[in-house]
Formats: sequence, C-alpha cells, structure tokens
Amino acid sequence: DAGVIQSPRHEVTEMGQEVTLRCKPISGHDYLFWYRQTMMRGLELLIYFNNNVPIDDSGMPEDRFSAKMPNASFSTLKIQPSEPRDSAVYFCASSLGTGGTGELFFGEGSRLTVL
Amino acid sequence: AQRVTQPEKLLSVFKGAPVELKCNYSYSGSPELFWYVQYSRQRLQLLLRHISRESIKGFTADLNKGETSFHLKKPFAQEEDSAMYYCALSAAGGFKTIFGAGTRLFVKA
Repeated sequence: DAGVIQSPRHEVTEMGQEVTLRCKPISGHDYLFWYRQTMMRGLELLIYFNNNVPIDDSGMPEDRFSAKMPNASFSTLKIQPSEPRDSAVYFCASSLGTGGTGELFFGEGSRLTVL
Repeated sequence: AQRVTQPEKLLSVFKGAPVELKCNYSYSGSPELFWYVQYSRQRLQLLLRHISRESIKGFTADLNKGETSFHLKKPFAQEEDSAMYYCALSAAGGFKTIFGAGTRLFVKA
C-alpha cells in the first residue's frame, strides 16, 4: 500500500480562486481526517469522517471551507474563495476504526500558498 | 473540551544531553495520549502511545493523570532526533484526535 495519497503537493493560487485538495486514504481504513498545519497554531483538526459520513466539522474555519467524501477511497477539501490567511499545509490522515490502535496514518501534505 | 498544550515551540539541546518535551492536556474523561514525530522531508508518523508503555528510539513518555501531563523524554539526545514533535489526544475508545501546537527539537553536535 502506498499509504495516504494527497494531491496536489503544492498549490499556488491567487486570492479569490477556488482550491480543491484531494485525498485517497489507505484501503480498509474507515476514518479520514483533514488537518491544517501552521507555524502559529500547529495541527488543527478541520473535519473527520467515519464510513464516508462527516462526524465532526467544528474545526472548519468558515463557510468558505467544505469537505466531502463521496466514497471510501476519495475525499476533497475545497476552499472557495481562497484568502491569503488560508496559506498552510493541509494534511489528510486515515485510521482503522474498531480493531485498530487509534494510530493515524498521514499523507505527505498539500502546501497551499494564496497570494 | 479537549485541549493539548505544548508550551515550547523550540527546544535546543546538545548531543548526549537529556531532553524532555512537555505536553499537558485537558480532558474530562479517560484519554489516550500519543506522540507523533515529523522528520525533515518525511511524513508525520506515530512515535509512541501511552497504552503501549514502550520505548521507541530511546524515547519514553509516562501518563501522569494527576498532573494531566504526558512528557516525552530521552536520556541522551542524538542528532537524528532533530524533528518536529506533536503530542496528541483522543478519547479512550474514540477516534477524534487533536494535536498540540508542536515542539521543534534541535540537537546540536
């Protein structure tokens, strides 16, 4: 297994543009998490899914952010419109639920720069 | 509410010196605590879990419920320990995992 796969690895866009980040979790994992990493705030949990259903989106900063998981092997995080303060590294992680150890497996991250 | 606090953003020690990365948590129930590490150009990965009570790469961490702490320790730091370290918490039996702000450890030769 290649692990959690995220794309794009780097994205540079202009303020006001729509940004879509993608994630493919590890096959068989039933939890998927989106985190945002910044120097000031570290790793912030944005939203997480269980069996493709959003469970807790209380960390999503604003209505400009949305996330979907249409099937067990794909999730997107969308920012529309993007703003410079959204610049960060966005991580996707997956874990095996019941029967697992609670360990999260992370992707390599998507570094977003909004000019 | 769940909260994880790592008071030090940067910790710099000399090779061979002891190192302690501090982590305090706030949680009303029974937590599970973790330490994750991110080496340069590598993915964030699990270092150790309090339930396992194991030593990984010479690191140990003890859960102190009285002080609500889960500090990470190593008696003799190595240069390859230089990395970003995150303390994390989830509810026992739960899966929502929150992280602290992280501590960057720099081990000098």
